[in-house]
Amino acid sequence: DARVTQTPRHKVTEMGQEVTMRCQPILGHNTVFWYRQTMMQGLELLAYFRNRAPLDDSGMPKDRFSAEMPDATLATLKIQPSEPRDSAVYFCASGLPRRDRGTQYFGPGTRLLVL
Amino acid sequence: GNSVTQMEGPVTLSEEAFLTINCTYTATGYPSLFWYVQYPGEGLQLLLKATKADDKGSNKGFEATYRKETTSFHLEKGSVQVSDSAVYFCALRDFDFGNEKLTFGTGTRLTIIP
Repeated sequence: DARVTQTPRHKVTEMGQEVTMRCQPILGHNTVFWYRQTMMQGLELLAYFRNRAPLDDSGMPKDRFSAEMPDATLATLKIQPSEPRDSAVYFCASGLPRRDRGTQYFGPGTRLLVL
Repeated sequence: GNSVTQMEGPVTLSEEAFLTINCTYTATGYPSLFWYVQYPGEGLQLLLKATKADDKGSNKGFEATYRKETTSFHLEKGSVQVSDSAVYFCALRDFDFGNEKLTFGTGTRLTIIP
């Protein structure tokens, strides 16, 4: 049963520290999405990639957030420097939209707490 | 632009009750429609989907029918269980090769009491 994996599952850090979250998409999926979920804002799309190229990062605070796909099996989301308002659950999702009519498969999330 | 409107929660039902969670949408094209479920502490899981008008998606006793004339995709289950307690998200993906995004509703929290 293929799944999206994310590491770490939980992260507690202090304000100003760098945070790196990793995602391994389902093998063969060519599109990767990063979402953030909070009680106040709900589910927000931060960025997404197709064939490792960034297509849209308009949902991401540019000054402190960056997203990359070093290779087809790894996507990263970095926050530098982190702030308390970044505390949230960050989800990665992957898909093969043209074959699967847009279905996205979500990972379990990284729960981030910035003190 | 695209949008999804879901029934406000939270919804509390007794076990074995009938469930309906309303979802309506606005889209520029002919979207695919989805229901995702999020159990406590977990990521979103695809529950069911429908890709064209009059299609019915079904899974785990849940059903939803793609109604183009009413732009709706209501989720139903005939007899809910305590294990169905979760947050349910309606979503659409417009059929536009240039746009891979899903548009989500705000989610409906469902609690089933024994």
